[in-house]
Amino acid sequence: GDSVTQMEGPVTLSEEAFLTINCTYTATGYPSLFWYVQYPGEGLQLLLKATKADDKGSNKGFEATYRKETTSFHLEKGSVQVSDSAVYFCALSDPNTGNQFYFGTGTSLTVIP
Amino acid sequence: DGGITQSPKYLFRKEGQNVTLSCEQNLNHDAMYWYRQDPGQGLRLIYYSQIVNDFQKGDIAEGYSVSREKKESFPLTVTSAQKNPTAFYLCASSTGTKNIQYFGAGTRLSVL
Repeated sequence: GDSVTQMEGPVTLSEEAFLTINCTYTATGYPSLFWYVQYPGEGLQLLLKATKADDKGSNKGFEATYRKETTSFHLEKGSVQVSDSAVYFCALSDPNTGNQFYFGTGTSLTVIP
Repeated sequence: DGGITQSPKYLFRKEGQNVTLSCEQNLNHDAMYWYRQDPGQGLRLIYYSQIVNDFQKGDIAEGYSVSREKKESFPLTVTSAQKNPTAFYLCASSTGTKNIQYFGAGTRLSVL
């Protein structure tokens, strides 16, 4: 079945450091891929998405590229800020399963000044 | 402003009691979802509804019930059969054309 695997946290970085959070997926069809962010005590917010191979999603300095050959969608940011501290979820939506969403377990990021 | 409203933000349940979590959306979305989130874990799907008066069980439906009488509303009842209800509950909705899930702010349920 469909699934998403993302790197375990927690991740702690200094301000202005480079961020990578790995995400790989398994899907029967050609899924859309997403990164969501969750701040403490809140719901999930869409950060970025990509709908087909080689698409790059970007938002607020974050980027992720849909790599079909490696079934990956790694999240990157060149220079993190304290305000980026949150939990990040990778997710996929597979048209073969009625566009049901599958979420990774989340990666907690803490950025220290 | 369009969005998803969950209420209450915090809820306490006594043993043997049923409690209902509210989820309302004004985004005109057809599909609505309920997820459970436990500390340090991902989201697990409880129930979802693609259309009014129809809903399907997700991965962990036991001990929960839902209704979808109106497009805007998808309440979740945590029944006394759910022996470990303490968790953060998230409601989401989506439209088929954009295939993006939008989330409410969540309800944190605890057992007294």
